[in-house]
Amino acid sequence: GDSVTQMEGPVTLSEEAFLTINCTYTATGYPSLFWYVQYPGEGLQLLLKATKADDKGSNKGFEATYRKETTSFHLEKGSVQVSDSAVYFCALNSGGYQKVTFGTGTKLQVIP
Amino acid sequence: GAVVSQHPSWVICKSGTSVKIECRSLDFQATTMFWYRQFPKQSLMLMATSNEGSKATYEQGVEKDKFLINHASLTLSTLTVTSAHPEDSSFYICSASPLAGVINYEQYFGPGTRLTVT
Repeated sequence: GDSVTQMEGPVTLSEEAFLTINCTYTATGYPSLFWYVQYPGEGLQLLLKATKADDKGSNKGFEATYRKETTSFHLEKGSVQVSDSAVYFCALNSGGYQKVTFGTGTKLQVIP
Repeated sequence: GAVVSQHPSWVICKSGTSVKIECRSLDFQATTMFWYRQFPKQSLMLMATSNEGSKATYEQGVEKDKFLINHASLTLSTLTVTSAHPEDSSFYICSASPLAGVINYEQYFGPGTRLTVT
């Protein structure tokens, strides 16, 4: 079955540091890949997505590239801010209206 | 676009009572809606998938008689937690997928409902 593995947190960074959160997946076919962000006490918001190999999703300074050869979708940001503190979930959807498979989430804490 | 709302955003109920949570797609029609449960510091656990006009499909281990799901229209699904107990306290999140023909493999998530059973 489908699965998503992402690095365990929490990750603590100083403001303006470089961020990488690793995510790898196993799936049948050609899944779409997502990063969702959850701020404290809130629901999930889509951060970015990529629907085919070599696509790069980007939003709010965050980027992730769909790497089929390494089955990875690592999240990166060049300079994090305190407001980026949240839990980040990597996820995939194998297509159609099937359920989304989530990773366990990585908590990011950015300190001033 | 693609906004999903949930109501209420938080609810406190007494043990033994039932509580209903609504999930609405505000600006699109959703053939399929999903209900998730999130435990503290953990990922989302899919509880069930509901399709408009048909019975929900529950994930293994989810009590269908306890968590009643109704998807009566293309914009509304409800989750009723019956005879709630403190262990049902959790964060419940719904998501919705648009109708066929809309090119999108994405689910749109509601903001979640915090249920506390005392």
